Amino acid sequence: AQSVSQHNHHVILSEAASLELGCNYSYGGTVNLFWYVQYPGQHLQLLLKYFSGDPLVKGIKGFEAEFIKSKFSFNLRKPSVQWSDTAEYFCAVPRAGSYQLTFGKGTKLSVIP
Amino acid sequence: KAGVTQTPRYLIKTRGQQVTLSCSPISGHRSVSWYQQTPGQGLQFLFEYFSETQRNKGNFPGRFSGRQFSNSRSEMNVSTLELGDSALYLCASSFRQSNTEAFFGQGTRLTVV
Repeated sequence: AQSVSQHNHHVILSEAASLELGCNYSYGGTVNLFWYVQYPGQHLQLLLKYFSGDPLVKGIKGFEAEFIKSKFSFNLRKPSVQWSDTAEYFCAVPRAGSYQLTFGKGTKLSVIP
Repeated sequence: KAGVTQTPRYLIKTRGQQVTLSCSPISGHRSVSWYQQTPGQGLQFLFEYFSETQRNKGNFPGRFSGRQFSNSRSEMNVSTLELGDSALYLCASSFRQSNTEAFFGQGTRLTVV
């Protein structure tokens, strides 16, 4: 069965600091990967996705992620965070041929002004 | 384009009762999935429907059921409610069954007392 690990439960950063959130998955076949964000009181929104091609994926709001197949990783990065990035971030993998998403436990990001 | 709409937004029920939650997907989307979100377990997959057929089911007891109608709208039902069913129930829709992103609704917050 697929699994997704997010090792950071809660990350606290000051504004302008750089961000890297870890995501590791266990699946040996063709991999699609997503990062979703849930701002306080809002619905889950897609930040970025990887289906194939360039392993460096750029998403919305200045976020990017790099798919490293040899490390089974898809870490999320942002060079300079803002207070408005305070949210919970989820890494997810869909089951092949379906929309059954397996989510990581999530990483809560708190950005201090 | 309207997003995924879930009704009601909030529900309070007592143990032993049953509840029905509704999800209207984005127009044209035929795939609908349901997730349960709790602080302890995170986001867990409940079911996936495509063209009125249940394609996948998560590891939940039989008290949890769902269906999808010909207009792609979906409902989920929980019978004999338990305190542990208190959660945010999220619905997601997507255009195809795979290789496209899932769009999430705001969720229904169910509290069982």
